[in-house]
Order: sequence, then C-alpha cells, then structure tokens
Amino acid sequence: QQQVRQSPQSLTVWEGETAILNCSYENSAFDYFPWYQQFPGEGPALLISILSVSDKKEDGRFTIFFNKREKKLSLHIADSQPGDSATYFCAASDYNVLYFGSGTKLTVEP
Amino acid sequence: GGIITQTPKFLIGQEGQKLTLKCQQNFNHDTMYWYRQDSGKGLRLIYYSITENDLQKGDLSEGYDASREKKSSFSLTVTSAQKNEMAVFLCASTPGQGLSGNTLYFGEGSRLIVV
Repeated sequence: QQQVRQSPQSLTVWEGETAILNCSYENSAFDYFPWYQQFPGEGPALLISILSVSDKKEDGRFTIFFNKREKKLSLHIADSQPGDSATYFCAASDYNVLYFGSGTKLTVEP
Repeated sequence: GGIITQTPKFLIGQEGQKLTLKCQQNFNHDTMYWYRQDSGKGLRLIYYSITENDLQKGDLSEGYDASREKKSSFSLTVTSAQKNEMAVFLCASTPGQGLSGNTLYFGEGSRLIVV
C-alpha cells in the first residue's frame, strides 16, 4: 500500500509559468512533509519542507500549500525556469522514516 | 559541510550472487538509511540504523542484509541478486533521531546491474 501518492507523473510547462505538483497521503500520524528535488545522476536533495501545524510555507519561488483535513499538499513553482527541470518527490514522516511518493518529472521548456 | 560516499558507483554481478554496497558519511550523523529507487516507483526503504550496531527493517528488507559496525559507515548486502532488482540504491543520513524538521542527506547512488 502506497502511503504517499503524487500526481501528475510528468508535467511540462513553459518558462515563466507556475508549475503545480500534487501530493496526498494516508497516515494521519505523518507530521513532516519535505519535498526533494533530484537531477539525473544525483541523489535527491531537500528543496522545501512543512510541518503539519502550518498550512503554507514559502521559500523564494517555491511554495507548499498544506490541507491537513483532506490529507493533501501541493508544491507551486512560480516563474518556472529551465534549470528547475528535475524530478520532484513528495515525502512524509512518522518520526524515523520518510515515505516517498513516486515522483513528478518536471520539464520547463524555454 | 559533509559528504556521503557510496561505493561502488556501478555494481555488476551474476544472478544468485551475494553483492555488497558500501556507504560512508563524514557528517557525524546518528541515523543512516538505505533506499532503493526503481524507475517510476520512487524511493522505498530497505533498512535504517539509528546508531552504531542498530538495525531496523524497512518495507523492502526481504532479500537484503545490512551492517552498521561504525557510526560513519553503513553497508547493504544483496543476499542473492535477481534481475528484477536492478535499481539504484541510495544511502542517506540525518542528524539525531527523528526526522521532523531534519534534513535527509543523500549520496549519489549505486546502480546494481545483474547479468
């Protein structure tokens, strides 16, 4: 049973547009939700994260919107750049373990 | 800053062979992890360790053994390599225990190829 689900599997946007990546989870005990960014040939790296006590977290062009009641969150990438092209993983934690979604491959066309 | 070093970068073995992947971190982190990444399936946890000589099984531990003999190193053994488990294996570490608010740092990965 997959604990964290992501959609879409792949997304293409034009440079300057806002990319929206979606995530949902099953376990109400999850309290920490990081998003990781992965470029080909590299390990994932933390991009931005949110705790379940908040409903929004911004860091520059990246914003997480969190809805605890619906167990959903989304990552918005404003003013998308070609350098943002990567795979993005949503994850959720129940203390010691991070459960990852299957990822969204984002392509930003110039 | 620190770094996580995984060796080898590519591990080629025959079906049924026992194969070992190694991971070293110089962050002085307490907790270390092994994840498997299959194309289109995200990352799935194999084993983790919260301190030296501790081992905790993840959802994907069957067919694998792990060893944490030193704080800085964590190894993963594929007990009998199968062609359907060709994937990228990622080592990660985090300070302390508990992930809330803590960053998980990943190595670059080791690709397993079974011939």
